[in-house]
Amino acid sequence: RKEVEQDPGPFNVPEGATVAFNCTYSNSASQSFFWYRQDCRKEPKLLMSVYSSGNEDGRFTAQLNRASQYISLLIRDSKLSDSATYLCVVGNDMRFGAGTRLTVKP
Amino acid sequence: NAGVMQNPRHLVRRRGQEARLRCSPMKGHSHVYWYRQLPEEGLKFMVYLQKENIIDESGMPKERFSAEFPKEGPSILRIQQVVRGDSAAYFCASSPETMNTEAFFGQGTRLTVV
Repeated sequence: RKEVEQDPGPFNVPEGATVAFNCTYSNSASQSFFWYRQDCRKEPKLLMSVYSSGNEDGRFTAQLNRASQYISLLIRDSKLSDSATYLCVVGNDMRFGAGTRLTVKP
Repeated sequence: NAGVMQNPRHLVRRRGQEARLRCSPMKGHSHVYWYRQLPEEGLKFMVYLQKENIIDESGMPKERFSAEFPKEGPSILRIQQVVRGDSAAYFCASSPETMNTEAFFGQGTRLTVV
């Protein structure tokens, strides 16, 4: 089993749609969780940290489920500019999932 | 406060040559991570270093690849006797000593082996 697994997609959604990604991890002792965004041929950039109680930043909501060992990212009211690859990161040693590609269409 | 600096941004090497990729972490950051990304694929962890120590190199190929993060100067990822399959984008990221903090990425080095 891979340390961090994501559904690679692609997810193709219309503008305004709500879309959710999940990411499962194998190390139950992990303490750090993040979502990053990567645009084509660019470096990944932090989207948001994931806290135990869940957290929200505008249209983005991140949640952690320790019992089932997964984190999730919810994007509401999708914009064209949300098109990117979304990467989950688990652990202090910064293990990345393979990424989920999102395309938002007009 | 400069971000993570990687150089060169683009590197072309002939098969059999050596490639040296440099990464200067953000000021105050003592943790460095190296990743490789092939076209249309995800980031693959290679190695995690702290100053003068390799913490985890489980993602490094056993031959031809090495990494260091000396007390002074940038972290170096070295690839000896490059082959066409080494062509990829190599990203480094750095984070501070504090636990549970995010890492910041450099813009990457795109290695092309011809």
